[in-house]
Amino acid sequence: DADVTQTPRNRITKTGKRIMLECSQTKGHDRMYWYRQDPGLGLRLIYYSFDVKDINKGEISDGYSVSRQAQAKFSLSLESAIPNQTALYFCATSDLSGSYQFFGPGTRLTVL
Amino acid sequence: GQNIDQPTEMTATEGAIVQINCTYQTSGFNGLFWYQQHAGEAPTFLSYNVLDGLEEKGRFSSFLSRSKGYSYLLLKELQMKDSASYLCAVRDRGVKRTYKYIFGTGTRLKVLA
Repeated sequence: DADVTQTPRNRITKTGKRIMLECSQTKGHDRMYWYRQDPGLGLRLIYYSFDVKDINKGEISDGYSVSRQAQAKFSLSLESAIPNQTALYFCATSDLSGSYQFFGPGTRLTVL
Repeated sequence: GQNIDQPTEMTATEGAIVQINCTYQTSGFNGLFWYQQHAGEAPTFLSYNVLDGLEEKGRFSSFLSRSKGYSYLLLKELQMKDSASYLCAVRDRGVKRTYKYIFGTGTRLKVLA
């Protein structure tokens, strides 16, 4: 079984729709992250959480919100999707020592 | 500010050696990571440097000079499967002893037969 899973893996939606991307992990890590990846721009941090009661904005949080429902689950929501949110979204985890990050398989989101 | 630079693309021949450079500027440097990412897939961890010097891991080695804000990833005995993007990332210590990871845009390596 994969350590970090993301659902859905692919999603096509229309402008203005609300979308939720889900991330679950079985690694027992406290720290979870959401990134988006665009060609030529690399991975950019949207939100991160160091435990269930902790939520922090990353460099591009506008238009996004998150929920850390449990240690193992971290969800990303787009309240009203717009075309420039079309991207590959990755969830990642790391342990308390702040070691390397372990990435989920990604969700390819297209907003028409 | 925070900035990471690495070349956009490199090409090398199967069996050769290639060096991918990375320069960075951060306010609270706390480690440098290299990841490999095949097209459409998740990044996977390759190596980590926090002190100056060379870390070797099989065909892959990574070097760090903190005073110069410089790192490189060395790939030896290149194989076709090494064709991928290589991401340089810096861990930056922020307030409340928290850490964030800042990624470069990646270097796309093409290995030719």
